[in-house]
Amino acid sequence: DAGVIQSPRHEVTEMGQEVTLRCKPISGHDYLFWYRQTMMRGLELLIYFNNNVPIDDSGMPEDRFSAKMPNASFSTLKIQPSEPRDSAVYFCASSERTVTGELFFGEGSRLTVL
Amino acid sequence: GENVEQHPSTLSVQEGDSAVIKCTYSDSASNYFPWYKQELGKRPQLIIDIRSNVGEKKDQRIAVTLNKTAKHFSLHITETQPEDSAVYFCAANILGGGYNKLIFGAGTRLAVHP
Repeated sequence: DAGVIQSPRHEVTEMGQEVTLRCKPISGHDYLFWYRQTMMRGLELLIYFNNNVPIDDSGMPEDRFSAKMPNASFSTLKIQPSEPRDSAVYFCASSERTVTGELFFGEGSRLTVL
Repeated sequence: GENVEQHPSTLSVQEGDSAVIKCTYSDSASNYFPWYKQELGKRPQLIIDIRSNVGEKKDQRIAVTLNKTAKHFSLHITETQPEDSAVYFCAANILGGGYNKLIFGAGTRLAVHP
């Protein structure tokens, strides 16, 4: 397996624009997580899915953020409209059967909002 | 609240010395404590984890200890090498609001000098 695949690797956009980040988890993994990493706040859990169903989205900063998982092999994180304070590295991770197991992270999407 | 505190934020050691990183958690129901290593520009990767039914676990030069009564756990790296230089994150599963989720500490930047 190629591991967790994220795209784009880098995104530079202007304030107010819509941003869509994409993730393909490892095949057969039941859990998918979206984390955001910044210097100030470290690794923050935004939302996670179990079998494509959102379980906990309490970490989503505000209504500008939304996430979907239409099938077992694809998830998106959307920010609309984007703001400079959204600049961060967004990681997608998957785990096989449980939250309390190894998380396999993607390489991350570095977002810069000007 | 949901909290994992990690200390120190930076740690500098000479090659061959030992390094210790400490974390405390707030949820007495937590039972899973992983450690992740993130090299510069790379994704976090699991290096070792411990569950609440054991007090210590070793894997070659790394070990983790857990004190459930005091709600703290530590990472020990012996005979440090320059390739150990990275940011290390502790984490704990937090069972709040009916959800089980992994919360990360703020990270420790370890520098090993030859």
